[in-house]
Amino acid sequence: GAGVSQSPRYKVAKRGQDVALRCDPISGHVSLFWYQQALGQGPEFLTYFQNEAQLDKSGLPSDRFFAERPEGSVSTLKIQRTQQEDSAVYLCASSLEAGGTGELFFGEGSRLTVL
Amino acid sequence: SQQGEEDPQALSIQEGENATMNCSYKTSINNLQWYRQNSGRGLVHLILIRSNEREKHSGRLRVTLDTSKKSSSLLITASRAADTASYFCATLSNYGGATNKLIFGTGTLLAVQP
Repeated sequence: GAGVSQSPRYKVAKRGQDVALRCDPISGHVSLFWYQQALGQGPEFLTYFQNEAQLDKSGLPSDRFFAERPEGSVSTLKIQRTQQEDSAVYLCASSLEAGGTGELFFGEGSRLTVL
Repeated sequence: SQQGEEDPQALSIQEGENATMNCSYKTSINNLQWYRQNSGRGLVHLILIRSNEREKHSGRLRVTLDTSKKSSSLLITASRAADTASYFCATLSNYGGATNKLIFGTGTLLAVQP
């Protein structure tokens, strides 16, 4: 596609449920980032992939968060046993260059609400 | 945690006026980028300035960078109602890992009144 695509756009989960958020980056983009954005705040870094390799997961808030990009294109962010504090917009971004040195192209985000 | 802080947090101006937003950051950087976010949407890249550059222009946008003060400013000239959005600065720093992380500031909410 022409841009970064994320699904679902909106997700409501009951506390304790598992959720999976999908990101389709721009074709050929090497770098893929996940960010978490709370209401009224700037995006906070979660994790980074270079092709299929997860090179940095230092921003994942707990071991309930897991991300993968098995074939170096589509990525999935999984949150297990969701908690209310997980409510946020999850943004995916991709970049043509390795190492994240260039412009990031963002998707529209997946808004997660945990009840 | 967030690297940068934007100032002001919110700004309201009339159409046609100029808007200036400032960003301060804490660590040394490779480059600094400005992004725009409309309500409920993703972020859109506006401009990138490298650490060895002091000023850059793109259309109605002018960005300055002062690495000695660890600060940057974004000027939007002749603002339009369509410029209403949140504006974020983001700094690219190498924290010693494999990633040059792009760390975002807290944002400035700009409202341009028609």
